[in-house]
Amino acid sequence: QVQLKESGPGLVQPSQTLSLTCTVSGFSLTSNSVHWVRQPPGKGLEWVGAIWSGGSTDYNSALKSRLSISRDTSKSQVFLKMNSLQTEDTAIYFCTRCPGIRNHWFAYWGQGTLVTVSS
Amino acid sequence: DIQMTQSPSTLPASLGERVTINCRASRGISNNLNWYQQKPDGTIKRLIYYTSNLQSGVPSRFSGSGSGTDYSLTISSLEPEDLAMYYCQQYASSPYTFGAGTKLELK
Repeated sequence: QVQLKESGPGLVQPSQTLSLTCTVSGFSLTSNSVHWVRQPPGKGLEWVGAIWSGGSTDYNSALKSRLSISRDTSKSQVFLKMNSLQTEDTAIYFCTRCPGIRNHWFAYWGQGTLVTVSS
Repeated sequence: DIQMTQSPSTLPASLGERVTINCRASRGISNNLNWYQQKPDGTIKRLIYYTSNLQSGVPSRFSGSGSGTDYSLTISSLEPEDLAMYYCQQYASSPYTFGAGTKLELK
């Protein structure tokens, strides 16, 4: 069955770089895109960016200068890297699957991983 | 960017009551709208896709409607397990923006 699982460091110091991994199963990254969404504690959801099935990327313009999304299709993993982290980047980070059929977008989500930016 | 204005932010309701949550897009989104439920443990579940289509396994008391810029989620008879946060999201164009959320709580 379709599964997504985020993993990461938990705690990152301000100004440092965040590296997260989304490990997927039950589907192929070459025929599905994976999107990242984040949620600051007690706040709403924010779309972060995506890597499409063909490998191209799309980023939230507010984060674009600090953000990079890549993947390793052989390992079924998608990576998020964000530099120059600030306390405002503290959030739960989710990855979610978007297959080729638009109406199937965002049907499956990971459990999320909490990232705290603090010294 | 398309802005999604969701209302109300908090909705006190009684069990068995019919409740409606609204979402307005800053421009037309051609029915490309999802509704999600988020429980206190953080789990996100898609309830409705393409405005009015019920996700498999979701109870039929949930329904969605709308067109153009105005959309709504209705629960026909509130059950205890429906007390949660609800979000709308447009997927018509990037960035795929969310509403600010509605907290459904007991009156």
